[in-house]
Amino acid sequence: AQTVTQSQPEMSVQEAETVTLSCTYDTSESDYYLFWYKQPPSRQMILVIRQEAYKQQNATENRFSVNFQKAAKSFSLKISDSQLGDAAMYFCAYRSTIIKLSFGAGTTVTVRA
Amino acid sequence: GAVVSQHPSWVICKSGTSVKIECRSLDFQATTMFWYRQFPKQSLMLMATSNEGSKATYEQGVEKDKFLINHASLTLSTLTVTSAHPEDSSFYICSATGGGRSNEQFFGPGTRLTVL
Repeated sequence: AQTVTQSQPEMSVQEAETVTLSCTYDTSESDYYLFWYKQPPSRQMILVIRQEAYKQQNATENRFSVNFQKAAKSFSLKISDSQLGDAAMYFCAYRSTIIKLSFGAGTTVTVRA
Repeated sequence: GAVVSQHPSWVICKSGTSVKIECRSLDFQATTMFWYRQFPKQSLMLMATSNEGSKATYEQGVEKDKFLINHASLTLSTLTVTSAHPEDSSFYICSATGGGRSNEQFFGPGTRLTVL
């Protein structure tokens, strides 16, 4: 079974600053997908960004970008210009050709005004 | 597009009763649906995977006789918690995939179950 590790239970960032969330995963597959999901207090899971393993270019969605290091099996998320609405729990997730998602333990992000 | 709804959003029941939670894909055909359980401040734990018209595949440790899953149509899956007990109190989330976007799961808003 694939494992996804998020080593930071909590992160705090000043509004307008940048925060980086770490994620590592273990797999023997060569073709897979990686995701970052946001879960705000409403608990609705929201897809933030996705990365296909075969793509070398790091994915970017507005203020969110990833640093995908395939050889190191690392997939960090950078949130730039942090906003109060970014406060949430963030989950890193892995999916291979089997469509089940494996989630990390999550990182709670607090944004200070 | 790709909206998934759940009903009810919250439910309180007495110990020993059964509760049914519905998960619907509103604008696409969900060939596969997933049911997760989440405790406060913890990650999502996959309970089972269901394909339309087939029996659900349960994860190890999940009691299939307690958590009955039915995926009778391409837009509806139900989770029935039978003979619920206080330890079944949790947040249950469904997700769905399909409609030509099989690489992504679309999540419902979740159902909070409290068993008294």
